[in-house]
Amino acid sequence: EVQLVESGGGLVQPGRSMKLSCAASGFTFSSFPMAWVRQAPTKGLEWVATISTSGGSTYYRDSVKGRFTISRDNAKSTLYLQMNSLRSEDTATYYCTRGGAYWGQGVMVTVSS
Amino acid sequence: DIQMTQSPSFLSASVGDRVTINCKASQNINRYLNWYQQKLGEAPKLLIYNANSLQTGIPSRFSGSGSGTDFTLTISSLQPEDVATYFCLQHNSWPFTFGSGTKLEIK
Repeated sequence: EVQLVESGGGLVQPGRSMKLSCAASGFTFSSFPMAWVRQAPTKGLEWVATISTSGGSTYYRDSVKGRFTISRDNAKSTLYLQMNSLRSEDTATYYCTRGGAYWGQGVMVTVSS
Repeated sequence: DIQMTQSPSFLSASVGDRVTINCKASQNINRYLNWYQQKLGEAPKLLIYNANSLQTGIPSRFSGSGSGTDFTLTISSLQPEDVATYFCLQHNSWPFTFGSGTKLEIK
């Protein structure tokens, strides 16, 4: 069974950093592109970033480019999202997803002073 | 960026009704369109991928159609457990973009 479990969320002040993790199991992690998708409270969904199987290619939406970094450790079957210079508009539930087909339960990130 | 215009925003229907939800892309996305169901407090669930392919385990009352710029999700006979918000997603070109959602309730 495919499982994706996010961790690392919480309350953070504007301008600070936070790193999210997503532990994957139930499939060969290194064989699939992975992504982060977020959803602001009572809002729609935004595809934030995607990473290729090797990690050699990454894609970011414009609003996070230069501030967020997606990475992966295939040996640990773990996906990461390093978020720097956080803004209030980054407040959202962040989901880890395998190609949009399988999703974690989400982790809440609140950016507030 | 490709804009996905989803309609209606809100839909109220009776159990057993046929329900349709639409997504229109601002440019050709071929058949690279997924449909998701999201229940309150849960992660999105993939229903349909590549416009008309039913994800494993999804009831056959859900179906998808369309190509190019116009797409439709159909629920052939609405069930009480279908109460949720439905989103479309285009994955033809980066950045992938979602529709704004359709909130479906039982009348």
